[in-house]
Amino acid sequence: KAGVTQTPRYLIKTRGQQVTLSCSPISGHRSVSWYQQTPGQGLQFLFEYFSETQRNKGNFPGRFSGRQFSNSRSEMNVSTLELGDSALYLCASSLGRRATDTQYFGPGTRLTVL
Amino acid sequence: DQQVKQNSPSLSVQEGRISILNCDYTNSMFDYFLWYKKYPAEGPTFLISISSIKDKNEDGRFTVFLNKSAKHLSLHIVPSQPGDSAVYFCAASAVQGSQGNLIFGKGTKLSVKP
Repeated sequence: KAGVTQTPRYLIKTRGQQVTLSCSPISGHRSVSWYQQTPGQGLQFLFEYFSETQRNKGNFPGRFSGRQFSNSRSEMNVSTLELGDSALYLCASSLGRRATDTQYFGPGTRLTVL
Repeated sequence: DQQVKQNSPSLSVQEGRISILNCDYTNSMFDYFLWYKKYPAEGPTFLISISSIKDKNEDGRFTVFLNKSAKHLSLHIVPSQPGDSAVYFCAASAVQGSQGNLIFGKGTKLSVKP
């Protein structure tokens, strides 16, 4: 079974631009969560989607948004990019929404904002 | 305020010896704990988990211990192998609360020397 895939793997943008990242979960997985990893803050939860609905959201500004499609694929969007948005963005999928449903992570998208 | 803390940023161990990675948490609502391992340029990989109704869980060379009164958990790797060299993240979740929202520590980089 294929793992979680994320595209693109690397991205360079300039301040003020917007970016869209994509995540394809493991087949059969219906929950997709997004995390931001930075050296200073570590791994921080962004949001979680299940059945095309955002179920949970972390403490990030409204510039960060996402959506989930009927096939469980998910996208996240960051508008008006800032230098501090440079990070590794990780997507994780799980079968369901229980905390005991193991989250499997993709390799991440490395975003650099210049 | 960090709810999950890994106070040792790095740990170096000789091959064949025991590696002990520690994690402290502050939120008494957490009742499910996980350890993930991360290699460079890859997403975190699930290692082992433990529910708060247990105080120990084993899986091969990996054992997680939970001390609820001290709000402390530890991951033991015995025997340590060079391939175990990676960053280890402790994560916590509230089974009864929000789903899909893992709170991560900042990680401990383990180096296993041959």
